[in-house]
Amino acid sequence: AQSVTQPDIHITVSEGASLELRCNYSYGATPYLFWYVQSPGQGLQLLLKYFSGDTLVQGIKGFEAEFKRSQSSFNLRKPSVHWSDAAEYFCAVGGPLTGGFKTIFGAGTRLFVKA
Amino acid sequence: DTEVTQTPKHLVMGMTNKKSLKCEQHMGHRAMYWYKQKAKKPPELMFVYSYEKLSINESVPSRFSPECPNSSLLNLHLHALQPEDSALYLCASSQDIAGGTDTQYFGPGTRLTVL
Repeated sequence: AQSVTQPDIHITVSEGASLELRCNYSYGATPYLFWYVQSPGQGLQLLLKYFSGDTLVQGIKGFEAEFKRSQSSFNLRKPSVHWSDAAEYFCAVGGPLTGGFKTIFGAGTRLFVKA
Repeated sequence: DTEVTQTPKHLVMGMTNKKSLKCEQHMGHRAMYWYKQKAKKPPELMFVYSYEKLSINESVPSRFSPECPNSSLLNLHLHALQPEDSALYLCASSQDIAGGTDTQYFGPGTRLTVL
């Protein structure tokens, strides 16, 4: 079955420190992978996506993610976190095996940023 | 323009009321989605419209009735809701490409409270 696991329910980092949010997926072929961010009470905003090609993907707001097929992972990174990055982050997988239109979301990781 | 708009922003309704949520996009997308999101949970897919036809209904109760009057508009008609239906309702749209999987653009959501 197709699934997404985000092992960390919440993470706290200091402002200016580096960040890595973990995402592992289960998918029977090459997946389409996404990272979304959601501020409280708001909709989801796409940070970046991987469909094919270069396994290191650059996104908005200084985020990047690396697709590692051997580890079934798509971890999100940022070299220096800003207080405004505090939000909920969702990893998601899609593709023909999920029925095309269906995107499977992970449970989310809440990021707290301390001064 | 990569914006999806939703109205109203907040809605409070009684269990006997009839109300509607509205969603609009002008990106030329031919796939539109309704999601339900409970607090501290990922979005759950409810419905998908593809070229104004209902493509996916995730076994949603009939008290939720979607409608796609044209390619830019998506409505969700609500009737006889239960308090447990209180949630953030998110609309999204995407290009309707082969296989169906593409980046979804989300609206800011409607916060629904059922009394």
